[in-house]
Amino acid sequence: DQQVKQNSPSLSVQEGRISILNCDYTNSMFDYFLWYKKYPAEGPTFLISISSIKDKNEDGRFTVFLNKSAKHLSLHIVPSQPGDSAVYFCAATRGSGSARQLTFGSGTQLTVLP
Amino acid sequence: SAVISQKPSRDICQRGTSLTIQCQVDSQVTMMFWYRQQPGQSLTLIATANQGSEATYESGFVIDKFPISRPNLTFSTLTVSNMSPEDSSIYLCSVEEWKGTDTQYFGPGTRLTVL
Repeated sequence: DQQVKQNSPSLSVQEGRISILNCDYTNSMFDYFLWYKKYPAEGPTFLISISSIKDKNEDGRFTVFLNKSAKHLSLHIVPSQPGDSAVYFCAATRGSGSARQLTFGSGTQLTVLP
Repeated sequence: SAVISQKPSRDICQRGTSLTIQCQVDSQVTMMFWYRQQPGQSLTLIATANQGSEATYESGFVIDKFPISRPNLTFSTLTVSNMSPEDSSIYLCSVEEWKGTDTQYFGPGTRLTVL
């Protein structure tokens, strides 16, 4: 039972354009969501998080949107840069903002074309 | 954020043997976590390790197969016992840290291949 799903295994975007990565979840108890970026041969790097009490969180070029009724979140990267090419994982947990027992999605490979 | 190192970075092992993976953090942390990423799949939590207590294992993972030690607040080990080719994965440790927001920071991972 996959509680966190990333249905797009890959995404290609032109440099300078917007990248939108999507994530769906099934467990209504999840209340804290995180996005990670992973380069080959490295561990995941934390990007941005959002609590279920918010519907948007922004940090520089990265914005995460949360739609609780649809159990859907998305990560927007604007503008996209070639260095953003990596695998992006969304993760979810329940624990009132505590990042424990993370459940990860399967990842989306983002390729930003120069 | 905490700087996390893992040893070894990669290894190739024979079926039936065991491998111990070390995780070192440059600061004291309460909670450490061990994950597995099987080829082409996502990260799956194996167990949570708190210093001074037994590790807490997730469903599908048992202590006999994945014994964990947490002797102090900066170090942990994960042993993959009696290995089979199905254990070929990347094993990652992580720590929970609060830097204005709660998150987990990951080590670089250990790539294990079992022949």
